[in-house]
Amino acid sequence: AQSVTQLGSHVSVSEGALVLLRCNYSSSVPPYLFWYVQYPNQGLQLLLKYTSAATLVKGINGFEAEFKKSETSFHLTKPSAHMSDAAEYFCAVSAYTGGGNKLTFGTGTQLKVEL
Amino acid sequence: EAGVAQSPRYKIIEKRQSVAFWCNPISGHATLYWYQQILGQGPKLLIQFQNNGVVDDSQLPKDRFSAERLKGVDSTLKIQPAKLEDSAVYLCASSLSGGNTQYFGPGTRLTVL
Repeated sequence: AQSVTQLGSHVSVSEGALVLLRCNYSSSVPPYLFWYVQYPNQGLQLLLKYTSAATLVKGINGFEAEFKKSETSFHLTKPSAHMSDAAEYFCAVSAYTGGGNKLTFGTGTQLKVEL
Repeated sequence: EAGVAQSPRYKIIEKRQSVAFWCNPISGHATLYWYQQILGQGPKLLIQFQNNGVVDDSQLPKDRFSAERLKGVDSTLKIQPAKLEDSAVYLCASSLSGGNTQYFGPGTRLTVL
């Protein structure tokens, strides 16, 4: 069984500051890990994914995440926040279970960017 | 390349009424998923199709929810009768067969009064 825990349902940063959104996972098999972003009244857009290649994954819009097996973490970072980054971010874990790839999502982190 | 299409975008109904949502996946994507996203929560998988067959419907409340993908392309999710707690965003996603990346549509926001 897979699960995801996102620490902090709301994060607020100043424009230009570092963004750090935390995600810890639990998986009984080697996981695939994803970060999705959701803007108001829109669907989920894939930011980046880890699929057992490089542990540091670069995504769109300047975001990146590092897979740390020893810490079971996949935290999302961006060096400098922009107003347009304000959105809800979801971490998800996927594992092939014979019935297909099932995504299990965390509860999300709402990112607020202030001037 | 066109993304996942969903309609309607918004729907308001009274409890005990019926409602249906439609999804057209990305061309060539054999796997289709329906998720329910309740306000303040992450999406929860309701049902997964591989072509026109059901792979996983363990989280689908089968007493009131049904879904079909008759020709292995577009899909319909139905709720009959609706309850207040069904108010949520219903997201459709698709992926290549065996693919690890799911692509999401814009969702249908359902309000049950």
